[in-house]
Amino acid sequence: NAGVTQTPKFRILKIGQSMTLQCTQDMNHNYMYWYRQDPGMGLKLIYYSVGAGITDKGEVPNGYNVSRSTTEDFPLRLELAAPSQTSVYFCASSSVGMKTEAFFGQGTRLTVV
Amino acid sequence: DQQVKQNSPSLSVQEGRISILNCDYTNSMFDYFLWYKKYPAEGPTFLISISSIKDKNEDGRFTVFLNKSAKHLSLHIVPSQPGDSAVYFCAASASNDYKLSFGAGTTVTVRA
Repeated sequence: NAGVTQTPKFRILKIGQSMTLQCTQDMNHNYMYWYRQDPGMGLKLIYYSVGAGITDKGEVPNGYNVSRSTTEDFPLRLELAAPSQTSVYFCASSSVGMKTEAFFGQGTRLTVV
Repeated sequence: DQQVKQNSPSLSVQEGRISILNCDYTNSMFDYFLWYKKYPAEGPTFLISISSIKDKNEDGRFTVFLNKSAKHLSLHIVPSQPGDSAVYFCAASASNDYKLSFGAGTTVTVRA
Protein backbone atom coordinates (compact mmCIF):
# COMPACT_ATOMS: atom_id res chain seq x y z
CA ASN A 1 0.00 0.00 0.00
CA ALA A 2 1.94 3.03 -1.25
CA GLY A 3 -0.32 5.81 0.14
CA VAL A 4 0.85 9.21 -1.13
CA THR A 5 3.95 9.19 -3.33
CA GLN A 6 5.88 12.33 -4.22
CA THR A 7 8.67 12.66 -6.74
CA PRO A 8 11.38 13.82 -6.78
CA LYS A 9 12.62 13.77 -3.19
CA PHE A 10 15.26 16.43 -3.83
CA ARG A 11 15.82 18.97 -6.58
CA ILE A 12 18.04 21.96 -7.22
CA LEU A 13 16.71 24.49 -9.71
CA LYS A 14 18.28 27.57 -11.18
CA ILE A 15 16.41 30.87 -11.03
CA GLY A 16 13.96 31.08 -13.90
CA GLN A 17 13.76 27.35 -14.54
CA SER A 18 10.49 25.48 -14.25
CA MET A 19 9.58 22.04 -12.97
CA THR A 20 6.68 19.83 -11.96
CA LEU A 21 6.42 18.15 -8.58
CA GLN A 22 4.53 14.90 -8.95
CA CYS A 23 2.03 13.54 -6.44
CA THR A 24 -0.04 10.40 -6.71
CA GLN A 25 -2.23 8.56 -4.22
CA ASP A 26 -3.71 5.09 -4.38
CA MET A 27 -6.41 5.46 -1.70
CA ASN A 28 -9.11 6.84 -4.02
CA HIS A 29 -9.26 10.06 -1.96
CA ASN A 30 -11.19 12.98 -3.41
CA TYR A 31 -9.31 15.68 -1.51
CA MET A 32 -5.72 16.50 -2.31
CA TYR A 33 -3.48 19.31 -1.09
CA TRP A 34 -0.11 20.91 -1.65
CA TYR A 35 1.68 22.51 1.31
CA ARG A 36 5.04 24.13 1.68
CA GLN A 37 7.07 24.26 4.87
CA ASP A 38 9.69 26.92 5.40
CA PRO A 39 12.23 26.68 8.26
CA GLY A 40 10.64 27.50 11.63
CA MET A 41 7.22 27.90 10.06
CA GLY A 42 4.12 25.79 9.90
CA LEU A 43 2.77 24.30 6.73
CA LYS A 44 1.24 26.81 4.32
CA LEU A 45 -1.43 25.67 1.86
CA ILE A 46 -0.57 26.37 -1.78
CA TYR A 47 -3.45 24.74 -3.69
CA TYR A 48 -6.06 22.12 -3.03
CA SER A 49 -8.52 20.00 -4.96
CA VAL A 50 -11.84 18.48 -3.90
CA GLY A 51 -12.05 16.15 -6.88
CA ALA A 52 -10.92 15.55 -10.43
CA GLY A 53 -11.26 18.73 -12.48
CA ILE A 54 -11.71 20.98 -9.43
CA THR A 55 -8.89 23.02 -7.93
CA ASP A 56 -8.68 26.13 -5.78
CA LYS A 57 -6.07 28.46 -4.35
CA GLY A 58 -4.79 28.23 -0.82
CA GLU A 59 -2.86 30.80 1.21
CA VAL A 60 0.27 31.09 -0.96
CA PRO A 61 -0.59 30.23 -4.60
CA ASN A 62 1.56 32.81 -6.40
CA GLY A 63 4.20 31.27 -8.63
CA TYR A 64 2.49 27.88 -8.76
CA ASN A 65 -0.10 26.08 -10.85
CA VAL A 66 -1.92 22.79 -10.43
CA SER A 67 -4.16 20.47 -12.39
CA ARG A 68 -6.29 17.49 -11.39
CA SER A 69 -7.20 15.40 -14.40
CA THR A 70 -7.54 12.16 -12.43
CA THR A 71 -8.44 11.22 -8.87
CA GLU A 72 -4.97 9.78 -8.32
CA ASP A 73 -2.68 12.57 -9.53
CA PHE A 74 -2.22 16.16 -8.41
CA PRO A 75 0.95 17.69 -9.93
CA LEU A 76 2.29 21.06 -8.82
CA ARG A 77 3.94 23.22 -11.46
CA LEU A 78 6.54 25.89 -10.68
CA GLU A 79 7.06 28.41 -13.44
CA LEU A 80 10.04 30.78 -13.37
CA ALA A 81 11.53 29.47 -10.12
CA ALA A 82 12.62 32.09 -7.58
CA PRO A 83 14.79 31.77 -4.43
CA SER A 84 11.66 32.45 -2.33
CA GLN A 85 10.34 29.08 -3.52
CA THR A 86 13.14 27.24 -1.75
CA SER A 87 11.18 25.06 0.65
CA VAL A 88 10.00 21.57 1.48
CA TYR A 89 6.82 20.68 -0.37
CA PHE A 90 4.29 18.18 0.92
CA CYS A 91 1.39 16.65 -0.92
CA ALA A 92 -1.49 15.25 1.12
CA SER A 93 -4.78 13.49 0.51
CA SER A 94 -7.86 12.72 2.55
CA SER A 95 -11.26 11.16 2.05
CA VAL A 96 -13.39 13.93 3.55
CA GLY A 97 -11.31 17.08 3.85
CA MET A 98 -8.58 17.88 6.36
CA LYS A 99 -10.85 17.42 9.39
CA THR A 100 -10.36 13.73 8.99
CA GLU A 101 -7.03 11.96 8.92
CA ALA A 102 -4.96 13.24 6.03
CA PHE A 103 -2.08 11.25 4.59
CA PHE A 104 1.08 13.08 3.62
CA GLY A 105 3.81 12.18 1.18
CA GLN A 106 7.47 12.18 2.25
CA GLY A 107 8.09 15.63 0.85
CA THR A 108 10.20 17.22 -1.88
CA ARG A 109 13.09 19.40 -0.79
CA LEU A 110 13.54 22.10 -3.42
CA THR A 111 16.41 24.57 -3.56
CA VAL A 112 16.41 27.45 -6.03
CA VAL A 113 19.83 28.97 -6.66
CA ASP B 1 -1.05 36.39 10.09
CA GLN B 2 -0.33 33.35 12.23
CA GLN B 3 -3.70 32.13 13.48
CA VAL B 4 -2.26 29.07 15.22
CA LYS B 5 0.72 29.58 17.47
CA GLN B 6 3.04 27.14 19.14
CA ASN B 7 5.23 29.38 21.25
CA SER B 8 7.66 26.71 22.42
CA PRO B 9 9.90 25.67 19.54
CA SER B 10 11.40 22.82 21.54
CA LEU B 11 10.80 20.61 24.56
CA SER B 12 13.16 18.15 26.25
CA VAL B 13 11.74 15.54 28.60
CA GLN B 14 13.04 12.46 30.36
CA GLU B 15 11.75 9.08 29.29
CA GLY B 16 8.75 8.04 31.38
CA ARG B 17 7.77 11.61 32.30
CA ILE B 18 4.94 13.69 30.88
CA SER B 19 5.34 15.86 27.79
CA ILE B 20 3.00 18.84 27.55
CA LEU B 21 2.78 20.71 24.28
CA ASN B 22 0.82 23.94 24.05
CA CYS B 23 -1.02 25.63 21.22
CA ASP B 24 -2.94 28.92 21.05
CA TYR B 25 -5.26 30.14 18.32
CA THR B 26 -6.77 33.49 17.45
CA ASN B 27 -9.63 32.65 15.09
CA SER B 28 -12.85 32.16 17.07
CA MET B 29 -14.36 30.35 14.07
CA PHE B 30 -12.02 27.39 14.52
CA ASP B 31 -14.01 24.41 15.71
CA TYR B 32 -11.80 21.43 14.96
CA PHE B 33 -8.25 20.85 16.10
CA LEU B 34 -5.67 18.25 15.19
CA TRP B 35 -2.16 17.27 16.16
CA TYR B 36 0.28 15.88 13.62
CA LYS B 37 3.63 14.27 14.31
CA LYS B 38 6.60 14.46 11.98
CA TYR B 39 9.86 12.54 11.90
CA PRO B 40 12.85 13.87 9.91
CA ALA B 41 12.67 13.22 6.17
CA GLU B 42 9.08 12.02 6.46
CA GLY B 43 5.70 13.64 5.97
CA PRO B 44 3.49 14.53 8.94
CA THR B 45 1.22 11.80 10.29
CA PHE B 46 -2.09 12.34 12.03
CA LEU B 47 -1.96 11.81 15.79
CA ILE B 48 -5.16 12.92 17.50
CA SER B 49 -7.99 15.41 17.04
CA ILE B 50 -10.70 17.15 19.03
CA SER B 51 -13.93 18.88 18.15
CA SER B 52 -14.98 22.09 19.87
CA ILE B 53 -17.97 20.32 21.43
CA LYS B 54 -15.52 18.42 23.64
CA ASP B 55 -12.89 19.58 26.07
CA LYS B 56 -10.86 16.37 26.16
CA ASN B 57 -10.01 13.50 23.86
CA GLU B 58 -7.83 10.57 24.77
CA ASP B 59 -6.09 7.94 22.66
CA GLY B 60 -3.73 5.67 24.54
CA ARG B 61 -0.80 7.72 25.83
CA PHE B 62 -2.01 10.86 24.05
CA THR B 63 -4.60 13.27 25.44
CA VAL B 64 -5.65 16.57 23.95
CA PHE B 65 -7.32 19.23 26.10
CA LEU B 66 -9.27 22.15 24.68
CA ASN B 67 -10.04 25.40 26.52
CA LYS B 68 -12.29 27.36 24.18
CA SER B 69 -12.60 30.44 26.37
CA ALA B 70 -8.80 30.79 26.43
CA LYS B 71 -8.43 29.69 22.80
CA HIS B 72 -5.86 27.20 23.98
CA LEU B 73 -5.23 23.53 23.54
CA SER B 74 -2.58 21.19 24.81
CA LEU B 75 -1.29 17.73 24.03
CA HIS B 76 -0.20 15.48 26.86
CA ILE B 77 1.99 12.45 26.24
CA VAL B 78 2.20 10.07 29.20
CA PRO B 79 4.56 8.34 29.60
CA SER B 80 6.99 9.80 27.08
CA GLN B 81 9.02 7.28 25.09
CA PRO B 82 12.13 7.71 22.92
CA GLY B 83 10.04 7.04 19.81
CA ASP B 84 8.02 10.16 20.64
CA SER B 85 10.99 12.34 19.69
CA ALA B 86 9.63 14.26 16.71
CA VAL B 87 8.15 17.58 15.63
CA TYR B 88 4.54 18.07 16.67
CA PHE B 89 2.25 20.39 14.73
CA CYS B 90 -0.98 21.83 16.03
CA ALA B 91 -3.59 22.54 13.36
CA ALA B 92 -7.07 24.06 13.31
CA SER B 93 -10.00 24.33 10.96
CA ALA B 94 -13.21 26.35 10.81
CA SER B 95 -16.67 24.99 10.02
CA ASN B 96 -17.23 23.94 6.42
CA ASP B 97 -13.61 24.70 5.61
CA TYR B 98 -11.53 22.11 3.82
CA LYS B 99 -8.28 23.68 4.91
CA LEU B 100 -6.13 23.58 8.00
CA SER B 101 -4.04 26.33 9.58
CA PHE B 102 -0.85 24.94 11.08
CA GLY B 103 1.35 26.13 13.90
CA ALA B 104 5.13 26.30 13.48
CA GLY B 105 5.70 23.07 15.39
CA THR B 106 7.36 21.99 18.63
CA THR B 107 10.37 19.67 18.53
CA VAL B 108 10.17 17.10 21.32
CA THR B 109 13.28 15.28 22.47
CA VAL B 110 12.81 12.38 24.88
CA ARG B 111 15.99 11.66 26.86
CA ALA B 112 16.77 8.12 27.99
